[in-house]
Amino acid sequence: EAGVAQSPRYKIIEKRQSVAFWCNPISGHATLYWYQQILGQGPKLLIQFQNNGVVDDSQLPKDRFSAERLKGVDSTLKIQPAKLEDSAVYLCASSSQALAGGPEQFFGPGTRLTVL
Amino acid sequence: DQQVKQNSPSLSVQEGRISILNCDYTNSMFDYFLWYKKYPAEGPTFLISISSIKDKNEDGRFTVFLNKSAKHLSLHIVPSQPGDSAVYFCAASARGAQKLVFGQGTRLTINP
Repeated sequence: EAGVAQSPRYKIIEKRQSVAFWCNPISGHATLYWYQQILGQGPKLLIQFQNNGVVDDSQLPKDRFSAERLKGVDSTLKIQPAKLEDSAVYLCASSSQALAGGPEQFFGPGTRLTVL
Repeated sequence: DQQVKQNSPSLSVQEGRISILNCDYTNSMFDYFLWYKKYPAEGPTFLISISSIKDKNEDGRFTVFLNKSAKHLSLHIVPSQPGDSAVYFCAASARGAQKLVFGQGTRLTINP
């Protein structure tokens, strides 16, 4: 079974530029998550999709971050414009259970973003 | 507001001995707890989990203990092996929600 795929693996941009990350979840997984992991901290949920609908985006900075999951499969996370504090690893995860407590989430390798 | 806390940023253990990683939580609505392991340049991988209806779950060398009254859980690894060197994250979810709240992580180093 193929895992969660993410690209690019690394990205370096200057502040005020825009950037986009792509994620392809495990086949058949209805739920997709985007996390931000700042160095020395645990992953923080940015947005959760159930199929192509948003379940939770309460911690997504909506003035600069956006995400979509067209057709309920792969997803794109965009930052526009980027700030220095956006430097982090962006992790995508997926899970197969719908609205069940505590399902295991499978993570991709992440995209390391550096904003200069 | 840090709802899940791992107060030890790092832990060093000798190969063959027991590693004990600790995690505290504040939200009484949490009813499911997970441990993830993360190697450099890789995403976290699921290790073991426990539901709040249990106080212990064991899987091979890994055992998770849950003390609900103290809002504390721990991960025991015995015997520790060099391949166990990684960052370990504790995570929790509340009933009816799939959202995971993570701790800050503990870097475990197993010394030969």
